[in-house]
Amino acid sequence: DVVLTQTPSILSATIGQSVSISCRSSQSLLDSDGNTYLYWFLQRPGQSPQRLIYLVSNLGSGVPNRFSGSGSGTDFTLKISGVEAEDLGVYYCMQATHAPYTFGAGTKLELK
Amino acid sequence: QIQLVQSGPELKKPGESVKISCKASGYTFTDYAMHWVKQAPGKGLKWMGWINTYTGKPTYADDFKGRFVFSLEASASTANLQISNLKNEDTATYFCARRGGMDAWGQGASVTVSS
Repeated sequence: DVVLTQTPSILSATIGQSVSISCRSSQSLLDSDGNTYLYWFLQRPGQSPQRLIYLVSNLGSGVPNRFSGSGSGTDFTLKISGVEAEDLGVYYCMQATHAPYTFGAGTKLELK
Repeated sequence: QIQLVQSGPELKKPGESVKISCKASGYTFTDYAMHWVKQAPGKGLKWMGWINTYTGKPTYADDFKGRFVFSLEASASTANLQISNLKNEDTATYFCARRGGMDAWGQGASVTVSS
């Protein structure tokens, strides 16, 4: 199975600070169809996950543009340009290029 | 708007069975696959598999073969997850999510297995 390693596991930030989360894959996530099926989700406390980014860098519907995704192959990054209070929670990356789909262990974003 | 509404919390004993439902609205049910994701208490997300909502064909991740069954009530735009012979380690919240890109999620269904 593909292992996704997220760093850091805990991220402390102040409101307005820009932060980044890394997601490294044990295998290339570039599919034979040319797409890279790497996604980012946010799970706020007590809620279900919400998709933020799809196919590495595409912003999900209704997601603020302070979120951005980048990367290729095995290295991917989620950036939040100016953290807001509503951004607190656990961030997960997920790959759907190789079966079974796998998630990273999560990065908890908390207020400093 | 797109909504996935799951059934309520369940408390079961080891060895019993449970059926969780996920009712979709706001789109054509058979146009998108339905995926299932497990989250044990305080833990991360684990993909269980998916069901083709057009053909009804299920696909299970290895850890979810045998006691887990995905099914449909297509006329009711509903996907179901049934777990038989429940074990303590099945205690978790189970989410349904639309399509491989998981662009919409249910609110989660809590299953507690305890004697």
